[in-house]
Amino acid sequence: DQQVKQNSPSLSVQEGRISILNCDYTNSMFDYFLWYKKYPAEGPTFLISISSIKDKNEDGRFTVFLNKSAKHLSLHIVPSQPGDSAVYFCAASARPNLGFGNEKLTFGTGTRLTIIP
Amino acid sequence: KAGVTQTPRYLIKTRGQQVTLSCSPISGHRSVSWYQQTPGQGLQFLFEYFSETQRNKGNFPGRFSGRQFSNSRSEMNVSTLELGDSALYLCASRGQGSSYEQYFGPGTRLTVT
Repeated sequence: DQQVKQNSPSLSVQEGRISILNCDYTNSMFDYFLWYKKYPAEGPTFLISISSIKDKNEDGRFTVFLNKSAKHLSLHIVPSQPGDSAVYFCAASARPNLGFGNEKLTFGTGTRLTIIP
Repeated sequence: KAGVTQTPRYLIKTRGQQVTLSCSPISGHRSVSWYQQTPGQGLQFLFEYFSETQRNKGNFPGRFSGRQFSNSRSEMNVSTLELGDSALYLCASRGQGSSYEQYFGPGTRLTVT
């Protein structure tokens, strides 16, 4: 049962335009969401996150939007740059404890983003 | 600060053998998690260790095991390897009291023939 879904395996966007990557989840216990970016032969790199008490978080060119009622989140990258070409993973955590325990992240299957120069 | 390191980076084993993978977390991080990445399956959670204790476990058979040492370094062991165990194994660490982000190592690419 895929609790975190990224329904678009790939996405191509022109350089300078906006890239929008989508993610849906089914587990209503998830209350913290993260986006990771992965280049080939490297581990995932943390990009941006959002808590369920917010509906938007922005960091430079990256903005994550959360729609709890629809159990949907999206990552916006604007403007898109060639270095953004990578696989993007959405991840979710249920009732994380900052101290210890329950560090499990549930990942989607990823979306390969290609930025066309 | 040095990042998460994993050794070896690449490994080829035959069916039935066992393998041990190693992970050194970021200095000061005490939580270490392991994930398996296969094409089409994304990253699947294996287990998580904190202070040498396994605190969370994913849905993997008992052939997959791990441990953590007092210096927070962690090892993962897979016994009686199967072809389907071929994957990228990723280790991630997190600092206590920090935000929820986990920081990943480059992974160990395991090929079972």
